Amino acid sequence: SYELTQPLSVSVALGQTARITCGGNNIGSKNVHWYQQKPGQAPVLVIYRDSNRPSGIPERFSGSNSGNTATLTISRAQAGDEADYYCQVWDSSTLDVVFGGGTKLTVL
Amino acid sequence: EVQLVESGGGLVQPGGSLRLSCAASGFTVSSNYMSWVRQAPGKGLEWVSVIYSGGSTYYADSVKGRFTISRDNSKNTLYLQMNSLRAEDTAVYYCARDLLGGGDLWGRGTLVTVSS
Repeated sequence: SYELTQPLSVSVALGQTARITCGGNNIGSKNVHWYQQKPGQAPVLVIYRDSNRPSGIPERFSGSNSGNTATLTISRAQAGDEADYYCQVWDSSTLDVVFGGGTKLTVL
Repeated sequence: EVQLVESGGGLVQPGGSLRLSCAASGFTVSSNYMSWVRQAPGKGLEWVSVIYSGGSTYYADSVKGRFTISRDNSKNTLYLQMNSLRAEDTAVYYCARDLLGGGDLWGRGTLVTVSS
């Protein structure tokens, strides 16, 4: 089965840039989606199809995907960005939806 | 308003059954890929099942043969029938729209606890 690997945690200083990676075999050939989840809340889509932002998501959130790594970039990090972030793909070979294990973002 | 509202969670004994519902408003369930995703306490997101607009259904290996996803077009509602429940099925269960293209709409979730 297809697997996605994320770092357990990422820390970033207030106002700096955070990068959260999502590794998978030839992930660059898949559409990657990213979700933000705050404690006690449902996930919220922040990036879809590698690099697209849904309406209402700040421009500070961006995404890229190439080779074996997809990356969520959060510029000018704010305290309100502290959350768990998950990457997700659809594996066309098994027809399964796959989530990464999640990354806890801490803003210092 | 476009929203999803889950219900039906609760406490059930191991081996028991439960049916979750996800009522949709503002859009048509049968025209979308609809999924169930769960999250065990303190853990990450785990995909459970999907039903395509055409009616095809798929399941995670962990629930295959025990869970059944379905929908009632007249009620615009998604369901998850869960049988032979185990302690490891304890989780918050979310319904979500179109995870294939980026799940842009999620419900608030319903908690299922499997315990004796």
